[in-house]
Amino acid sequence: DTAVSQTPKYLVTQMGNDKSIKCEQNLGHDTMYWYKQDSKKFLKIMFSYNNKELIINETVPNRFSPKSPDKAHLNLHINSLELGDSAVYFCASSQDRLAVNEEQFFGPGTRLTVL
Amino acid sequence: GENVEQHPSTLSVQEGDSAVIKCTYSDSASNYFPWYKQELGKRPQLIIDIRSNVGEKKDQRIAVTLNKTAKHFSLHITETQPEDSAVYFCAASWGTGGGNKLTFGTGTQLKVEL
Repeated sequence: DTAVSQTPKYLVTQMGNDKSIKCEQNLGHDTMYWYKQDSKKFLKIMFSYNNKELIINETVPNRFSPKSPDKAHLNLHINSLELGDSAVYFCASSQDRLAVNEEQFFGPGTRLTVL
Repeated sequence: GENVEQHPSTLSVQEGDSAVIKCTYSDSASNYFPWYKQELGKRPQLIIDIRSNVGEKKDQRIAVTLNKTAKHFSLHITETQPEDSAVYFCAASWGTGGGNKLTFGTGTQLKVEL
């Protein structure tokens, strides 16, 4: 009955590698997000998709590429990983961007460590 | 863009006391202000939220107040318990039409001591 799930939970990799994080929500929500939480716990939005359409794209290096094959999935692919990419990445979803209830439900997070 | 400042960064209280966390925002168009609680190693979870057409909202031991004129909002936790220990984040967004872009504060580490 997991609402928002992410895989993998932990990801350890070398600098320069390419990796992907997957996210799925079974809440029937239209909008999904990716957040980055750094070592100081600061949470910052990276991307948002509404029904497979990109609606928010913050100042994120183009090494990061989100992909939404359908509205229940939002994956994050990262090319040429750098030390500074080490963080916890959270996926989230909300009903839709025009909904009265705008609560965002977060996934469990993926801790990425770049060596 | 929106900027949210949050104080204090750490807060230590005795069990049973009250805790208050304050946030200010910069964008007067913001109309939705949620508070999230994040326990160690866990995901952020919504504990309470308030919209710009409301000045105060309460849910059991938790309350939030909003002053639109001053652009600040606060979280109040009464009768604190050890399980309230966590990091609390305030956030602001101009939800409808803005893609629900939440801008988070920098977090407050609350420690409730026995």
